[in-house]
Amino acid sequence: QSVLTQPPSVSGAPGQGVTISCTGTSSNIGANYDVHWYQQVPGTAPKLVIYANRNRPSGVPDRFSASKSGTSASLTITGLQAEDEADYYCHSYDSSLRGSVFGGGTRLTVL
Amino acid sequence: EVHLVESGGGLVQPGRSLRLSCAASGFMFDDYAMHWVRQAPGKGLEWVASISWDGGNIGYADSVKGRFTISRDNSMSSLYLQMNSLRVEDTALYYCGKDRTMISATGIDSWGQGTLVTVSS
Repeated sequence: QSVLTQPPSVSGAPGQGVTISCTGTSSNIGANYDVHWYQQVPGTAPKLVIYANRNRPSGVPDRFSASKSGTSASLTITGLQAEDEADYYCHSYDSSLRGSVFGGGTRLTVL
Repeated sequence: EVHLVESGGGLVQPGRSLRLSCAASGFMFDDYAMHWVRQAPGKGLEWVASISWDGGNIGYADSVKGRFTISRDNSMSSLYLQMNSLRVEDTALYYCGKDRTMISATGIDSWGQGTLVTVSS
């Protein structure tokens, strides 16, 4: 059971958009700790796609965006492409646990 | 270009110890916090431990607290994870990760390819 809750799977057709949610509590996201998002293509290392709630590292397409509100955060991918098919993880800090926490991951399928 | 190369994984019996290393290059190692993150076969990411740029701030997941020790040698640009009293549930691919800043939890912007630890009798 992950501290941050994500849907196990989402899907969308090429060109469409999807949103992945990440629900936390008052000791992590709700305590105003930043949320980061990673993309992991099976068999490869994770890749940072969003840091500090809404910022894209250099090289990440602007089709990737994110937001945070209250105890939740979300990652939105627009104009889906086959290469976006991967697992996505949210990440934050938890003051009760005194450490980082990851969401359980969401498998994105591009239909 | 940032390079992180983990080593030290392998097959080990329950209760034994293992030391993982991560050799870093391509950036000023002593300017950044570092992490160990693991992934059990077919499972999601699990944060294991973090260490600030100077080693002054360290944190562990409850699942490894008291058994694992994270450390760094800035003169060698290396990160370590000493794992004692290993359990079957510690079996995973262990990733070394570089944080974006000196303190941890600001986002892991570079990852190694991982080293596999298998705990089995």
